[in-house]
Amino acid sequence: AQTVTQSQPEMSVQEAETVTLSCTYDTSESDYYLFWYKQPPSRQMILVIRQEAYKQQNATENRFSVNFQKAAKSFSLKISDSQLGDAAMYFCAYRSGGSGGSNYKLTFGKGTLLTVNP
Amino acid sequence: KAGVTQTPRYLIKTRGQQVTLSCSPISGHRSVSWYQQTPGQGLQFLFEYFSETQRNKGNFPGRFSGRQFSNSRSEMNVSTLELGDSALYLCASSLFAGTTEAFFGQGTRLTVV
Repeated sequence: AQTVTQSQPEMSVQEAETVTLSCTYDTSESDYYLFWYKQPPSRQMILVIRQEAYKQQNATENRFSVNFQKAAKSFSLKISDSQLGDAAMYFCAYRSGGSGGSNYKLTFGKGTLLTVNP
Repeated sequence: KAGVTQTPRYLIKTRGQQVTLSCSPISGHRSVSWYQQTPGQGLQFLFEYFSETQRNKGNFPGRFSGRQFSNSRSEMNVSTLELGDSALYLCASSLFAGTTEAFFGQGTRLTVV
């Protein structure tokens, strides 16, 4: 079974600065996807960024980028120029990439609560 | 385009009762998944439906069940409620099973007293 570990229960960052959230995962599969989701107090999970395991290039979405180290099974999220609206719980998630009868469930880490200080 | 709609937003039930939660996916999406979120266990997969068929089920007791209708709307039911069932229940919709992008609703907060 796949597992996802987020070792930082809480992080804080000053507005306009950069912060990196850590995530490691364990899998025996070669085809999979990794995601970072954001859950603000409104509770709605919002997809921040995704990475396909077969792609060597790290994904980037505006101020959000990842450092995907496949051999180390590490998937960290870097938030640049942090804004007050970035304050939320961030979840790292794994999904199998197989086809047919594969289970497409998302396996989540426990989350990292990010506080942005003005 | 309307997002994923979950109803009700909040619910308070008594132990032993049953409850039904509803999820309307984004128009055109045919896959719906359900997750339970608690402070202790985090986010856990309940089940996934595609075209009215349950494709996968998580490790939950038989008191948790679900279904999907022909219009892709889904319901989940929990019978004989226990205090430990208190949680935020999240629904996610995808275009097809296996589509990488899942869109979540705002959840239903269930409190069992």
